[in-house]
Amino acid sequence: DTAVSQTPKYLVTQMGNDKSIKCEQNLGHDTMYWYKQDSKKFLKIMFSYNNKELIINETVPNRFSPKSPDKAHLNLHINSLELGDSAVYFCASRGPWGSPLHFGNGTRLTVT
Amino acid sequence: DAKTTQPPSMDCAEGRAANLPCNHSTISGNEYVYWYRQIHSQGPQYIIHGLKNNETNEMASLIITEDRKSSTLILPHATLRDTAVYYCIVRVEGGKLIFGQGTELSVKP
Repeated sequence: DTAVSQTPKYLVTQMGNDKSIKCEQNLGHDTMYWYKQDSKKFLKIMFSYNNKELIINETVPNRFSPKSPDKAHLNLHINSLELGDSAVYFCASRGPWGSPLHFGNGTRLTVT
Repeated sequence: DAKTTQPPSMDCAEGRAANLPCNHSTISGNEYVYWYRQIHSQGPQYIIHGLKNNETNEMASLIITEDRKSSTLILPHATLRDTAVYYCIVRVEGGKLIFGQGTELSVKP
């Protein structure tokens, strides 16, 4: 059983395009996250949702818009893609306060 | 700010214990210490976490000093598959896990 699943695994697109990455978790968790890992391997938090409500929004360009249709899903839509958006994007979910995050296997986005 | 400091890299012989240190001198009283690892091209994998007491699970042991300013992750019998980047993380206010650079552990035959 895949706990946190992301699609697609790889995404290659051109500058200026709009793309979405989907994330689903079957753990029954209330909180979900998006992290970005750049070429230097730093993992940086982007967003967090709790029960479909945005609770963390780091200084991310507003071209990035998360959407949570229900608490099991947190999708990431990116408008007007730029070269610097190339990275691996990880989705994660968490249960009650203090419990650990569970990560998906990432979506490698390449913008050409 | 990651709030944690780790050595950038370590080597360990296969079958030996791997002891990975972490400094978190500014940790607050209610902040947990978490350890994750990331094997190449995969998502970060949760290993263990603790608040004050030492913890052990099927993967590792976590030793937290009495003043809570540092901790050590112990992999008792390292295998080649334990080669990964290990992250020590303190959960900051608001529930964010802020990752530092981690320790790149190489387990060698």
